[in-house]
Amino acid sequence: ETGVTQTPRHLVMGMTNKKSLKCEQHLGHNAMYWYKQSAKKPLELMFVYSLEERVENNSVPSRFSPECPNSSHLFLHLHTLQPEDSALYLCASSQESGLLQYFGPGTRLTVL
Amino acid sequence: GESVGLHLPTLSVQEGDNSIINCAYSNSASDYFIWYKQESGKGPQFIIDIRSNMDKRQGQRVTVLLNKTVKHLSLQIAATQPGDSAVYFCAENMHQDTGRRALTFGSGTRLQVQP
Repeated sequence: ETGVTQTPRHLVMGMTNKKSLKCEQHLGHNAMYWYKQSAKKPLELMFVYSLEERVENNSVPSRFSPECPNSSHLFLHLHTLQPEDSALYLCASSQESGLLQYFGPGTRLTVL
Repeated sequence: GESVGLHLPTLSVQEGDNSIINCAYSNSASDYFIWYKQESGKGPQFIIDIRSNMDKRQGQRVTVLLNKTVKHLSLQIAATQPGDSAVYFCAENMHQDTGRRALTFGSGTRLQVQP
């Protein structure tokens, strides 16, 4: 266990659904991240939060909406996704932005 | 696994042999490097890290070598075991123009250990 948990572990949703992914870190870290890992591309950084402030948004479509209510929790709200959004979504945290990151187990998302 | 469909370099070794996984990094300003291991169905797990003021660092059965001249990083695994089968990623860390640090991941190498 790395101290980073993600729920749900698996999610199947239709293109018209709205769902949320949750990440929680128990490491006392100040930065949290969302990554996308698909079958055709390596790890893609989506969002970075440092001290609950979004500091990076790598041209991610607006159908992905992050939320960081406090330094321990991170959400990724999903709506009107496309089949190509099917991937493993990984959450990570680090003591400070950009340093050694610890990853959660991921949420395997399938969009039908 | 997560990388099916992505053409990853694959290293196949016999159980008990030593493994060497290589990584070329892109930015000469990178000053901190990390190796991660990702098993099927799991998130990447930290293995070992090294700062740019070092050439070598050893852990339990793993050694990381850093050659800054040619911007090359390697991970050596001694006495490779079936449980070492996974995708291995290197990551480089550097300051961006914004002043913030960023971690950039390589595409990974798949290690297959034959019994």
